Parts: sequence; structure tokens; C-alpha cells
Amino acid sequence: GDSVTQMEGPVTLSEEAFLTINCTYTATGYPSLFWYVQYPGEGLQLLLKATKADDKGSNKGFEATYRKETTSFHLEKGSVQVSDSAVYFCALSDRGYSTLTFGKGTMLLVSP
Amino acid sequence: DTAVSQTPKYLVTQMGNDKSIKCEQNLGHDTMYWYKQDSKKFLKIMFSYNNKELIINETVPNRFSPKSPDKAHLNLHINSLELGDSAVYFCASSQDIAGPYNEQFFGPGTRLTVL
Repeated sequence: GDSVTQMEGPVTLSEEAFLTINCTYTATGYPSLFWYVQYPGEGLQLLLKATKADDKGSNKGFEATYRKETTSFHLEKGSVQVSDSAVYFCALSDRGYSTLTFGKGTMLLVSP
Repeated sequence: DTAVSQTPKYLVTQMGNDKSIKCEQNLGHDTMYWYKQDSKKFLKIMFSYNNKELIINETVPNRFSPKSPDKAHLNLHINSLELGDSAVYFCASSQDIAGPYNEQFFGPGTRLTVL
């Protein structure tokens, strides 16, 4: 079945540092890929998405590129802020149904 | 206006009790979902409904019974609550069940604690 693997957290960074959160996936078809963010005490919000190979999703300074050859969708940001502290979830959706398969989440802690 | 709302936000109850969590979406979406997030933040799909019909039931114990009175509502009833049911339950909705472009919108979650 489909699965998503994310790097273990927490990831601890200083403000303005470069961020990478690794995500790889296993799927039988050609899934759509997503990054969701969960701020403390809140529900999940879609951060960005990519629906086919080589697509780049971007939002709020975050980027991720759909790499079919390496089955990866790594999240990057050039300069993190304290307000980026949250849990980040990589997810995929099979083309047949919109149901999301999530990775285990990576907590990001940014200090001033 | 809140797009996807859930009530209650917090629910503390004793083992063996029966409880319900309500979810409403005002986005006009056809599809709704329930997810469970455990203490390690792992999120897993429980159910999905499309136009009030059950589409996906992911090996959830039959103590959990979703009910969709109309497209805008998907409630979750849990019988005979167990300690392992303690988790945060998220409701979500999307325009439709199929297709790669459907974005899911999540509610704020209901934190269930079983004592």
C-alpha cells in the first residue's frame, strides 16, 4: 500500500537558518503530494502541493519539488522564522481517491 | 465564518461511556472525512463519506459509527469508550472524493481523553 516516510524530529533551528525536511513516498500509481502544517493547538492547513513529476509547489517561502526518480518531496525554506514553529506533515493522495496518507510529522522549533 | 467546525473541542469521559463528536462544513463540499491523530502526532484516515454515503472505512472497530444526516454534516459516535481511544479527532472535507486537485480542509480537532 501507499506510505510516506518523513525525517524524525524535532528539528531545532535558529531564526534565518535554512530548513530541509525530507519526505519520501511509496505508491503504486502516480500520487499527488502535499505538505500540511499544524500550528500548536490548531488543525491542519495545506501548505503546498504538487500533482505531477517535476512540479514545484510553493507558498509562504516554502518550496517542494515532486521528484519521481527519487520518490521524494522534500520541504525547504531559505530563512525560517520563529512563527514557522509547527508540525509539518508530508502526505500523498492516490489518483483514485482524495484520501490522504500522512507521514508521521516533523516538529520544527525555531528559536530567536 | 469557520469553514469546518467541530464540537466539542475537548471531551473528557470515563471508560465504557458513549460519546459523539459533531462536524459541520459550510464549503458546499460533497466529501467529508474523519482522521485520528494519536499521541505521537500520527494521523490516520478512519472514514470518508461522499454525498452521505460511506466510501472508506479503514479497519476501524465497529464501536465507531459515523453518521451523515446531510452533505454538510458528519458526526462520529463512539460506543464503550476505551483508554486507547484517547486521541485528537479531526474532521475534514473536500470538493469531491476523486481527483488529485481536491484540497482537504480540516477542522480544529476534538481532543478526546478517556479516563
